[in-house]
Amino acid sequence: EAGVAQSPRYKIIEKRQSVAFWCNPISGHATLYWYQQILGQGPKLLIQFQNNGVVDDSQLPKDRFSAERLKGVDSTLKIQPAKLEDSAVYLCASSLQDTDTQYFGPGTRLTVL
Amino acid sequence: GQNIDQPTEMTATEGAIVQINCTYQTSGFNGLFWYQQHAGEAPTFLSYNVLDGLEEKGRFSSFLSRSKGYSYLLLKELQMKDSASYLCAVNTGGFKTIFGAGTRLFVKA
Repeated sequence: EAGVAQSPRYKIIEKRQSVAFWCNPISGHATLYWYQQILGQGPKLLIQFQNNGVVDDSQLPKDRFSAERLKGVDSTLKIQPAKLEDSAVYLCASSLQDTDTQYFGPGTRLTVL
Repeated sequence: GQNIDQPTEMTATEGAIVQINCTYQTSGFNGLFWYQQHAGEAPTFLSYNVLDGLEEKGRFSSFLSRSKGYSYLLLKELQMKDSASYLCAVNTGGFKTIFGAGTRLFVKA
């Protein structure tokens, strides 16, 4: 069974530029999560989808971050414009349902200069 | 508020046993997960507890006491490859899972 796919793996941009990340969850997984993980900290949930609907985006900085999940499968996370403090690893995870084990993708390491 | 506490770092010797504690205060409880995360890699699932007691899986065991808001992960016969961060996560129900900051375990020879 294929795991969670993410791209790109690494991205370096300058502040005020835009960036987008892509995630393809495990087939059949209804729940998709985007996390931000700053070095030395645990993952912080940015947004959670159940199928193609948002169930939690309380910690998403909506003035600069946006996310969508088209047709309840793939998802993209966008930052526009980026700030220095956005430098982090962005992890995508999926689970069968929200109470189940989460399976993580390899992450995208973002560096904002 | 919602809170999950874990020690920041621990050091143990190869071949020994180490216990990593996690205490939580959450508005609801629908299960507790432990994940392992090697440096530069994504978290991977280790264990899941929803009822009180001990769950054993090879060298790893996880314990839960819901009344005390407490869990621990026990690693036996430590190996160098067990050097990693260990994340405690609580599903609080209502579509919400909260992660702790993680415990960085260093295994020395």
